[in-house]
Order: sequence, then C-alpha cells, then structure tokens
Amino acid sequence: EAGVAQSPRYKIIEKRQSVAFWCNPISGHATLYWYQQILGQGPKLLIQFQNNGVVDDSQLPKDRFSAERLKGVDSTLKIQPAKLEDSAVYLCASSLDNGAGRYTFGSGTRLTVV
Amino acid sequence: ELKVEQNPLFLSMQEGKNYTIYCNYSTTSDRLYWYRQDPGKSLESLFVLLSNGAVKQEGRLMASLDTKARLSTLHITAAVHDLSATYFCAPVIDGGTSYGKLTFGQGTILTVHP
Repeated sequence: EAGVAQSPRYKIIEKRQSVAFWCNPISGHATLYWYQQILGQGPKLLIQFQNNGVVDDSQLPKDRFSAERLKGVDSTLKIQPAKLEDSAVYLCASSLDNGAGRYTFGSGTRLTVV
Repeated sequence: ELKVEQNPLFLSMQEGKNYTIYCNYSTTSDRLYWYRQDPGKSLESLFVLLSNGAVKQEGRLMASLDTKARLSTLHITAAVHDLSATYFCAPVIDGGTSYGKLTFGQGTILTVHP
C-alpha cells in the first residue's frame, strides 16, 4: 500500500511571500488532516476534511491559511502571506473513516520563513 | 477543549533500565494512540488503545489505557539505544466538531545511554 505523499519536502521563503503544500492521501481514505508541528512541540490540527467537506478548521488561521480538497482526494494547504512564526513542519495524514482504525502520516513539508 | 500532558518531557536512561512515560488527558476519550518520531522524520504509529484496560505490547514497549483515570502509560523494559526518539500520546474524542481528531501531547524526548 502506497503511503501518504507530500511535496515539497523542504521550502524556504521570505516573510510576506506565499507558499503551497500538496498532499495525496492513501487511496480510499475518506478523511484527510493537516497538522502543524512547530519545533519541540506536538503536532496541532489545522484542518480536517471528510471527503471534500471541512469537518474542523477551528485552529486554522483563516486570515492567512487556506486549504482545499477538490474531488475528495488530493489536498493543498496555502499560506499567504507567510509570517516568521509559520516556520514548522506541515504534516498530512489520512484515515479510512475519521480514524476509526489507523492514521497514516506523510513525511511532512519543512517550511522555513526568513 | 481536550488538554494532554505528558511527563516527563525529557528522559535520559541507561541501557537495560526500565521506565514509564505518563500521558494524562482532560476529558473522556474514546481511544488513544502512541507515536514515535525520530529526528527529522514523520510519525510512526506504535499502539492503538481502544478501550478501558487495554494493554498492548511490542518488543520492549508496553502501553496501557485507564479511561476512568484519563491516563495512559508507555512502559519501557530494558531500554536499548535504538529506542531513543520522541514519543507522543494522542487521545481522540469522537463528538461534535472533534470527531476523529488526534490531540497530541508535548512529547517525551527519550535518550538511552550505554
């Protein structure tokens, strides 16, 4: 079974620039999550999709972050404009149905904002 | 909002010794997950605990769940260097806007010395 694919692996941008991350979940996984992991902390949920609908985006800074999951498969997470405090690893995860079984995490995208 | 506290946050062990990592959480949880993360890597699933009294063991690691005490433990037996990593617990609440959402603790950084 192929894992959760994320790209790019690394990204360095200047503050106030925009950036986008891409995630391809495991085939057939209805639920997709984006987590932000700041260095030295546990991952924090940004947004959760069930198919192509948003289930929870309560911790997504909506003034600068946006995410979509067109056709209930791939997802993109965008930051515009980026701030220094957005430097983190952005992890995508998927599960069959709201994580009733296992969650599978991708390798993450490490973002550095300078 | 679910709060998760792990202790200790830093654990330095000698090879061959035993120790326990504790995970306390603030509200009733339906299930709990333990993950391992190596530096610069993504999250690796270790255990899924689905009910009160659940105990899972894999090699030198054993995890347990007490839902009444809102406590999970990860016990390390006869530590070896390969266990050096950061360990996260993540309970899940299934209800309202939190359905299937993993909430992570701060992580416990384990270092095993010869």
